[in-house]
Amino acid sequence: GENVEQHPSTLSVQEGDSAVIKCTYSDSASNYFPWYKQELGKGPQLIIDIRSNVGEKKDQRIAVTLNKTAKHFSLHITETQPEDSAVYFCAASPFSGGYNKLIFGAGTRLAVHP
Amino acid sequence: DTAVSQTPKYLVTQMGNDKSIKCEQNLGHDTMYWYKQDSKKFLKIMFSYNNKELIINETVPNRFSPKSPDKAHLNLHINSLELGDSAVYFCASSQVFTPQGTTNEKLFFGSGTQLSVL
Repeated sequence: GENVEQHPSTLSVQEGDSAVIKCTYSDSASNYFPWYKQELGKGPQLIIDIRSNVGEKKDQRIAVTLNKTAKHFSLHITETQPEDSAVYFCAASPFSGGYNKLIFGAGTRLAVHP
Repeated sequence: DTAVSQTPKYLVTQMGNDKSIKCEQNLGHDTMYWYKQDSKKFLKIMFSYNNKELIINETVPNRFSPKSPDKAHLNLHINSLELGDSAVYFCASSQVFTPQGTTNEKLFFGSGTQLSVL
């Protein structure tokens, strides 16, 4: 089955700096890669996603890149702000037949210091 | 209005008890899920229902029994609670099949139920 590894487990940056979180996956059949942000006491919330037919996607300060050959994908946050502090999860989905079975990475705790 | 709501938010109980967690979504989605998040924040899928039909059933003890009375509700009943069941349980939903004939994997999560078994 699919296995997703995520690094680093914790990341501390100064406000305004960039943050990069990296994930690798094992199942070449996976074709959907979302990123979720979880704030304290809340459920994960989708912030950006990418499909296997795209190499890069950007949404304001957030971007995701995908290298299918190497089976890794990354989340880039530019100009970080204190409200970006949260736990971020990557996930991979060997989506088939209409049924989503997201396999999550272990999470990265991002702390943005003013 | 809360899109995916689950109750209770906190559940503290003794070992051996039976408890239920309820989940409702008002997004009109056709698929609902239960995820378990352990103390290390690791998220793992437990079950998934599409239009009241069980479609994903991971290796979960049969003490856990999901029930979907309709496509807007997915409840989780746990029998004979054990210490290791302590975790945060998240309900989620998605609209897998869209009117345009495409598929949509975006999950919407509830705010979680923190279960503590003493």
